[in-house]
Amino acid sequence: ETGVTQTPRHLVMGMTNKKSLKCEQHLGHNAMYWYKQSAKKPLELMFVYSLEERVENNSVPSRFSPECPNSSHLFLHLHTLQPEDSALYLCASSQDDRGETQYFGPGTRLLVL
Amino acid sequence: DQQVKQNSPSLSVQEGRISILNCDYTNSMFDYFLWYKKYPAEGPTFLISISSIKDKNEDGRFTVFLNKSAKHLSLHIVPSQPGDSAVYFCAVWAGSYQLTFGKGTKLSVIP
Repeated sequence: ETGVTQTPRHLVMGMTNKKSLKCEQHLGHNAMYWYKQSAKKPLELMFVYSLEERVENNSVPSRFSPECPNSSHLFLHLHTLQPEDSALYLCASSQDDRGETQYFGPGTRLLVL
Repeated sequence: DQQVKQNSPSLSVQEGRISILNCDYTNSMFDYFLWYKKYPAEGPTFLISISSIKDKNEDGRFTVFLNKSAKHLSLHIVPSQPGDSAVYFCAVWAGSYQLTFGKGTKLSVIP
């Protein structure tokens, strides 16, 4: 595997379900990110981890819970989501300590029914 | 309020001609700018970047121009190829791991 991988690629869940998105980077980077892309809107940064510590949390509802067990893996735990949370969730990583150039995974397309 | 604006949602260009994608930003303190390309069902791919100390950066068929006084950057693709058809996102580094993206411009290169 190379670059940034994400699983699953597609996910359909009900509002009462609990699911997790997984991201793995094979680039030896120090920082990892979760972004949300909704239709007709720019990418929105959700969470940032640097060296496994959370450094940014952009006012994301608590029904989204990130976890970074090590510098190569990042999870996004989902519970009691709303239909408006349906979107493309993108993971990214960066080498530098400022996060200037970020490399993205293919994304998970999430549909909440 | 949007800090990064890509005012053209779409652009069609004939194969072999030049594609010019435009981006405007609001904050004169921004000092690092990037372009990403995105195909359907894939994540954005880093294409090219430019620092505010330069006004031009070239990589093969792709050139990014920065006009700091106008707070404007553009991406030139020449010659355009059908494989360049994708959505192009402009992004600025806003400090402390924050990349702020525009809404994207969908480029269609017609054979």
